[in-house]
Amino acid sequence: DQQVKQNSPSLSVQEGRISILNCDYTNSMFDYFLWYKKYPAEGPTFLISISSIKDKNEDGRFTVFLNKSAKHLSLHIVPSQPGDSAVYFCAASEWNNDMRFGAGTRLTVKP
Amino acid sequence: NAGVTQTPKFRVLKTGQSMTLLCAQDMNHEYMYWYRQDPGMGLRLIHYSVGEGTTAKGEVPDGYNVSRLKKQNFLLGLESAAPSQTSVYFCASNPTGRNQPQHFGDGTRLSIL
Repeated sequence: DQQVKQNSPSLSVQEGRISILNCDYTNSMFDYFLWYKKYPAEGPTFLISISSIKDKNEDGRFTVFLNKSAKHLSLHIVPSQPGDSAVYFCAASEWNNDMRFGAGTRLTVKP
Repeated sequence: NAGVTQTPKFRVLKTGQSMTLLCAQDMNHEYMYWYRQDPGMGLRLIHYSVGEGTTAKGEVPDGYNVSRLKKQNFLLGLESAAPSQTSVYFCASNPTGRNQPQHFGDGTRLSIL
């Protein structure tokens, strides 16, 4: 029972353009959402998060949007750079409970 | 500044063998976690610990045991390895709680024949 779903296994974008990665969840009790980035042969690294009391959080080139009514969040990367090529995991949790991860989306940014 | 270190990085086992994966963190974090990652699936929590001497089950605990005798170390044991346990295992830690950002190790790739 996957409570967090990333329906696009891969995404290819041209350098300088916007990358939009999507994530859907089923558990309405989730109140904290995170994005992790993973390079090959390395562990995931935390990228950005958002609480359910907000609908947007921005950190430099990275912005996460949360639509609670649709149970959907997205990560926008603008402008995309070749170094952003990685697997991106969406994760969600409810307070004091286990974090649930999506299966990941592989982003390729072409020069 | 090592962060989270996992040992070994790769291992091949035969069915029925046992082994222990070691996770060490030097950040004085209270919380530690073991996950497995399989193709097409997200990371799934096996066991976790909220402090030295404590352990608890996660989403997929069957076939694994853990111990946290020292705050900096979290061990994951497979008593009798099965092919279904072929996976990449990640250890993580964080200072404040289960739903906060976690620091991950680089993973252990385990194959069971």
